[in-house]
Amino acid sequence: QQQVKQSPQSLIVQKGGISIINCAYENTAFDYFPWYQQFPGKGPALLIAIRPDVSEKKEGRFTISFNKSAKQFSLHIMDSQPGDSATYFCAANNNNDMRFGAGTRLTVKP
Amino acid sequence: NAGVTQTPKFQVLKTGQSMTLQCAQDMNHEYMSWYRQDPGMGLRLIHYSVGAGITDQGEVPNGYNVSRSTTEDFPLRLLSAAPSQTSVYFCASSVGSRQPQHFGDGTRLSIL
Repeated sequence: QQQVKQSPQSLIVQKGGISIINCAYENTAFDYFPWYQQFPGKGPALLIAIRPDVSEKKEGRFTISFNKSAKQFSLHIMDSQPGDSATYFCAANNNNDMRFGAGTRLTVKP
Repeated sequence: NAGVTQTPKFQVLKTGQSMTLQCAQDMNHEYMSWYRQDPGMGLRLIHYSVGAGITDQGEVPNGYNVSRSTTEDFPLRLLSAAPSQTSVYFCASSVGSRQPQHFGDGTRLSIL
């Protein structure tokens, strides 16, 4: 049973559009929520992270929105570029135990 | 500065064989972890360590052993390989579990 549920599985966006990936969790003890980006043949790399005392965090074109009461958080990629094409994973951490979502394969078409 | 180095990059084993996946980091990170990545399932935590001499189980520890004798190294041992352990294995390190994790490039393991 996956503790972090991620959707959609795949996403196709036109260049310049907004990509939105959603995650939901059940365990209210989670206290750190990172997003990772992975290119084929490589390990994941941290994109942006948020803690539950903040509702939104923005870094460049990437924004995390966090809704503690709904136990949901999402990644928004503004002005999506072909170079953003990758697999994105949300994750949640509780006391050294990190749980990942199943991943979203993003394709940005030129 | 190499970051997190995993060896080997590829390995094929026969059922019942044992092997050790190596992981080394040169960033003096206390927290290290092992994940397996399977299609449609994201990354699942196998074991983790919060410092030399301290290890603990993650979500899917069965069939795997770890030890942490130094800050730099965190090897993962498969005691008796099974086809269900065919996967891509990633090692990661960070200052702490709530800090950015630095991943290696993975070991692709096939068990026949």
